[in-house]
Amino acid sequence: EIVLTQSPGTLSLSPGERGTLSCRASQSVSSRYLAWYQQKPGQAPRLLIYGASSRATGIPDRFSGSGSGTDFTLTISRLEPEDFAVYYCQQYGRSLTFGGGTKVENK
Amino acid sequence: EVQVVESGGGLVQPGRSLRLSCAASGFTFDDYAMHWVRQAPGKGLEWVSGITWNSGSLDYADSVKGRFTISRDNARNSLYLQMNSLRAEDTALYYCAKDGAYSNMYYSYMDVWGKGTSVTVSS
Repeated sequence: EIVLTQSPGTLSLSPGERGTLSCRASQSVSSRYLAWYQQKPGQAPRLLIYGASSRATGIPDRFSGSGSGTDFTLTISRLEPEDFAVYYCQQYGRSLTFGGGTKVENK
Repeated sequence: EVQVVESGGGLVQPGRSLRLSCAASGFTFDDYAMHWVRQAPGKGLEWVSGITWNSGSLDYADSVKGRFTISRDNARNSLYLQMNSLRAEDTALYYCAKDGAYSNMYYSYMDVWGKGTSVTVSS
């Protein structure tokens, strides 16, 4: 099983700041089969990024994904108030697993 | 509108069974794999099970293998999860999710999620 480790556990930022979230895999994720999701309290997860760097339909371009192999990054270029949430990475190169999540909170 | 709606959750005693359902609409159901993902209270997401578009492949997390069975009825645009021998650690919100890849024989990301149905296993 591929284990995904997300860091930091909590990221404290202010609106307008840049956020950088990390997702590290225990084994190489083939073909960049990595996705990112956003989840707000009381809501279902929402797909942000798939294929490591492709934005899902309707996702603002302040969200971007990068990386390959075992190291992946989600970047939020300028935080908007609605971006404070928990973010999960998920790999689908070998079975499916989720990371433990990073909470982005308002400083 | 593309959507999936879960039902069937509830309070159940340890060792008993429960069947979850997911009704899909707004897309060609039999073109996509489908998944169940759960989230225990205050915890992260855990993939539970997936089924390819033609039911050719059924897959499970180790934590539920041998106890849960996924199935689908393409004529009814419905997905199911039969949960047997339930344990306290199965307590969670169970989400139904649509796979993002068209007619794929493998699983990928999940692009449509329901609001979930709550399962509580307790005596």
